[in-house]
Amino acid sequence: KAGVTQTPRYLIKTRGQQVTLSCSPISGHRSVSWYQQTPGQGLQFLFEYFSETQRNKGNFPGRFSGRQFSNSRSEMNVSTLELGDSALYLCASSLVAHLGNEQFFGPGTRLTVL
Amino acid sequence: TQLLEQSPQFLSIQEGENLTVYCNSSSVFSSLQWYRQEPGEGPVLLVTVVTGGEVKKLKRLTFQFGDARKDSSLHITAAQPGDTGLYLCAILIQGAQKLVFGQGTRLTINP
Repeated sequence: KAGVTQTPRYLIKTRGQQVTLSCSPISGHRSVSWYQQTPGQGLQFLFEYFSETQRNKGNFPGRFSGRQFSNSRSEMNVSTLELGDSALYLCASSLVAHLGNEQFFGPGTRLTVL
Repeated sequence: TQLLEQSPQFLSIQEGENLTVYCNSSSVFSSLQWYRQEPGEGPVLLVTVVTGGEVKKLKRLTFQFGDARKDSSLHITAAQPGDTGLYLCAILIQGAQKLVFGQGTRLTINP
């Protein structure tokens, strides 16, 4: 069974640009969560999607947005990039959005903003 | 203020030594998870502890949940280079698929 895949794995952008990251969950998983990982702040929750609906959102500005498609694949978008957006962006999928369901993480997309 | 405080932040020891890392909070949790993250990969769940005082073993790794369910520890016996990685504790927020992580302990085992 294939794991969670994220594309691209590495990305370099400049300030002011926008970026779209993609996440394909494990087959059959319907919940996808996104996290940002930085050396200073650690791993922080961005948002969670289930059945194409955003169910939960972390404390990030509106420049961070996402969506989920009918096949459960998810994308996140960051507009007007800032230097501080440089981070590893991780997505995680779980079978259903129930408490205690294990989340499986992808390898992440390393975003560098210059 | 971090909800979960992990210590130490960095730990570098020789192969064969034992070590313990900690995850502490002032809040009570219904459960707590430990993850290991290796370079270039996402975190991988090691264990979930649920009951106060619970001890779980995973080969040379021993996980303990505090009696008051506010803290947890991870003990590694006879550490090996393959144990190198970032160890993260996390709690799953009730009613959401939202994990809140500690800052992690970056562990290096030297051959």
